[in-house]
Amino acid sequence: SQTIHQWPATLVQPVGSPLSLECTVEGTSNPNLYWYRQAAGRGLQLLFYSVGIGQISSEVPQNLSASRPQDRQFILSSKKLLLSDSGFYLCAWSLVSYEQYFGPGTRLTVT
Amino acid sequence: DAKTTQPTSMDCAEGRAANLPCNHSTISGNEYVYWYRQIHSQGPQYIIHGLKNNETNEMASLIITEDRKSSTLILPHATLRDTAVYYCIVRARQETSYDKVIFGPGTSLSVIP
Repeated sequence: SQTIHQWPATLVQPVGSPLSLECTVEGTSNPNLYWYRQAAGRGLQLLFYSVGIGQISSEVPQNLSASRPQDRQFILSSKKLLLSDSGFYLCAWSLVSYEQYFGPGTRLTVT
Repeated sequence: DAKTTQPTSMDCAEGRAANLPCNHSTISGNEYVYWYRQIHSQGPQYIIHGLKNNETNEMASLIITEDRKSSTLILPHATLRDTAVYYCIVRARQETSYDKVIFGPGTSLSVIP
């Protein structure tokens, strides 16, 4: 069966520090991968999606970047965090179907 | 993709049916209705989807009106563990191999003992 992992589960970082969040998927090949952010009490905002290795599409301009160095690995990064980057970050995967499957999420607090 | 409108919050007594409405008056003929839910501090979980026929699975039932402009997710016997934010989404299958799911604020369902 397929499994999606995210780490760390929680993170507290100072403003201006770098960020690296990792997501890996097991049990499937060539998945579509997604990064979402959810601010407190808000819906999910799609940040990036990827249909293959090295293929990244960005939905909104921001202080973040994404990379997909391997088929089942998706990384969210920032060189310098802003206070507004705080939120709940979710990675998701899907195949050519309608359902997306989400990871457990990373709660990021920028202080 | 069509936009959806859901109530901000709802309460339901434990053991009773929870009926969560969703309006999608601008839905296109090739767009499906999807429901996800998100329990606090967890990732969203897929519940059910449908095109125009009513659908039922082990988690819930989905009732879509004949004109497809609205739908209702039914949790037949709500439990405390069903307390979550429920998202209604409509979208068409993409021509390419990716699909983007855009979540609005959803309905916060509280199941009360």
